[in-house]
Amino acid sequence: DTGVSQNPRHKITKRGQNVTFRCDPISEHNRLYWYRQTLGQGPEFLTYFQNEAQLEKSRLLSDRFSAERPKGSFSTLEIQRTEQGDSAMYLCASSLVLRGTSGSLHEQYFGPGTRLTVT
Amino acid sequence: RKEVEQDPGPFNVPEGATVAFNCTYSNSASQSFFWYRQDCRKEPKLLMSVYSSGNEDGRFTAQLNRASQYISLLIRDSKLSDSATYLCVVTPARPSYRDDKIIFGKGTRLHILP
Repeated sequence: DTGVSQNPRHKITKRGQNVTFRCDPISEHNRLYWYRQTLGQGPEFLTYFQNEAQLEKSRLLSDRFSAERPKGSFSTLEIQRTEQGDSAMYLCASSLVLRGTSGSLHEQYFGPGTRLTVT
Repeated sequence: RKEVEQDPGPFNVPEGATVAFNCTYSNSASQSFFWYRQDCRKEPKLLMSVYSSGNEDGRFTAQLNRASQYISLLIRDSKLSDSATYLCVVTPARPSYRDDKIIFGKGTRLHILP
């Protein structure tokens, strides 16, 4: 157990519904990342936060996806009007990155993921 | 050339053998490199960072070749419990407060055979 938790662990929803996932990172970590992973692929970067600021969003993150980290602690990822192609494992990771430090502090620790199935 | 590329495998290796994985990257400005391990239907877990001078942790050795733009992972005396998917990770930008995204390879599957 890395200390990163995600809820729910599994979500089955019908096409067109909205879903929201939550990630609680390791408490002292200032960075939080969201990834999507499908079978046979590595995790694909979606977005990340430095404290409460969302610093980058992947082109994979369509307008139907939104992520927040309002107080710089937990984060939520919402998918609106879900499509079957959204079915995947959604992974959250956190890391501690200090200004001016080396890349070794970019080690990320992953949560168990939320498996989304859109029917 | 893909940003990060790995042999998908699977590698089927007898227990006790030595196995090596390579991972190539396209961005010469890449600065940070890692190997992660992922068990079936589980989250990725950090195995080791890869330093310019190379590093070793027990049976595992990681190397970085900047000239040829690849990193490698060597597992000696492989165990059944080493069966997993091994993911290489590359951070493109210089380590800085505002970093570029981190890129995962697709992973190489390893099966250790008894």
